[in-house]
Amino acid sequence: ETGVTQSPTHLIKTRGQQVTLRCSSQSGHNTVSWYQQALGQGPQFIFQYYREEENGRGNFPPRFSGLQFPNYSSELNVNALELDDSALYLCASSLGFGSLGETQYFGPGTRLLVL
Amino acid sequence: GQQVMQIPQYQHVQEGEDFTTYCNSSTTLSNIQWYKQRPGGHPVFLIQLVKSGEVKKQKRLTFQFGEAKKNSSLHITATQTTDVGTYFCAGSLSGSARQLTFGSGTQLTVLP
Repeated sequence: ETGVTQSPTHLIKTRGQQVTLRCSSQSGHNTVSWYQQALGQGPQFIFQYYREEENGRGNFPPRFSGLQFPNYSSELNVNALELDDSALYLCASSLGFGSLGETQYFGPGTRLLVL
Repeated sequence: GQQVMQIPQYQHVQEGEDFTTYCNSSTTLSNIQWYKQRPGGHPVFLIQLVKSGEVKKQKRLTFQFGEAKKNSSLHITATQTTDVGTYFCAGSLSGSARQLTFGSGTQLTVLP
C-alpha cells in the first residue's frame, strides 16, 4: 500500500508568481483534500476533490484552485502569490465517497516560501 | 463560521506525568478526530469519536467526546518522550455544511 506523496517538498517563489503543487493519494482512496498550515497553527481546509469535482471549499479566495485527475491524484494551484501564502501545504486522501469529515491520511507536505 | 478552540497552547511536563488537552467547538459536531504531528512532520490520525459521551482508549491515551458533542479531551497517562509533538483535534459539523475544522493544537514537550 502506497501512502500519500507530495511534490515538491520545498519551494521558493516571489510575490505575484503562480505555483502548482502536486499530490498522489493513498492507494484505493478516491478523495483528496488540501490544507494550508501556517507556522504554529492547525491545518486550514482549502478544498476537497471527489470524482474530479470540487466537493467542498473553505474560506480561501478564488486564486486558490485545484484539479483532480482520473487516477485520483490532485493539483493545487495558487495564482498571484502573496507573502501570507507562505505555509506548509498538506494534501490528505480519504476513502470517504466524497463525504467531508472522513479520516484524513496526510502527505508530508510542501513548504512554500513567498518572498 | 465554525470555530474549534484548543487549550492549552503549550504544555511542558516531566516524563511520567500526565497530560490533558481540551477541545471546544462553537457548534455541535457530527464527529471529532484527533491527530498528532511530530516536529517537522505531518498530522497522523489517532482516533475518531462519533457518539455523544463516547470514551475510547489507546494504551496510555484516553479520548472523550462530550455529551453535547461540542467538546472533547485527550488524556495521556504517564507521558514518555515519544509523546512529544502537537496534538490537534478536528471536528466536522452536523448537517449539510460539513468540513473538517482543526483546532490550533497543543504542543507537548516531555522533559526526561
